[in-house]
Amino acid sequence: NAGVTQTPKFQVLKTGQSMTLQCAQDMNHNSMYWYRQDPGMGLRLIYYSASEGTTDKGEVPNGYNVSRLNKREFSLRLESAAPSQTSVYFCASSPGMNLQETQYFGPGTRLLVL
Amino acid sequence: AQTVTQSQPEMSVQEAETVTLSCTYDTSESDYYLFWYKQPPSRQMILVIRQEAYKQQNATENRFSVNFQKAAKSFSLKISDSQLGDAAMYFCAYRRRGSNYQLIWGAGTKLIIKP
Repeated sequence: NAGVTQTPKFQVLKTGQSMTLQCAQDMNHNSMYWYRQDPGMGLRLIYYSASEGTTDKGEVPNGYNVSRLNKREFSLRLESAAPSQTSVYFCASSPGMNLQETQYFGPGTRLLVL
Repeated sequence: AQTVTQSQPEMSVQEAETVTLSCTYDTSESDYYLFWYKQPPSRQMILVIRQEAYKQQNATENRFSVNFQKAAKSFSLKISDSQLGDAAMYFCAYRRRGSNYQLIWGAGTKLIIKP
C-alpha cells in the first residue's frame, strides 16, 4: 500500500548541476502534480499532468521540466540548478482533475542547492 | 486572484483540550472546495477534512470539524480532545473550477500539543 513514492529523499546539488526527481503512484490515478514548499509559504504548483501524455505549467514553472513517463510515473527535472530552487518538493496524485477530488501526497524530497 | 490566509503561524493547546485554527480565503467564485491538510514531522501531507462550498452543513471527521462561513469566507478547523499525535503543521487550501483546478494554499499553522 505504497501510495505516492518519491526519490530521492534528500539531495545536495551545486549551482548549475542537473538532476531528476522521481515520483510514482500505485493508485491508478490519472492526474499528477509537482509542488514546492518554501518556509513561511504554502505549497506552490510547479507543473501538473491531467492525464497520461499531457503536462501543463502551474504557478512557478520556470527552471523546471517534467515528463509523464506513463500513468504511474511523473518526473521533475532541474536542468541547471540555482540556489533559489532550494526547497522541499512534493509530488501528488488524484483520480482526476475534478473539483472535488482529493490529492494524495508523497513524502517529499528536500533539495539543497549550494 | 484567489488567496488563502492563515493568520496564526503557531498555536498551542493542552492535551485533551480543544483548539481552533483559522483560515480565510478570498474568491469571487461560488462553486469551490476547501481542504485542511496536516503535515507531521515526517513531512507527508495528509488530508484531514474537506468542505464543499455548496453545502451549508459543516464537515466532520471524528475529532475534526470545520466551521464554514461562506459569506465571511472563513473556514476554521476545530480539533477536539487534542492528542500528542495531532502535533503538526496544518494547511488550509482552496480549489475552484478553472483551467487547471489548482489548489491554492495558506502558509500553514504550527500546532503544538502540550502534555
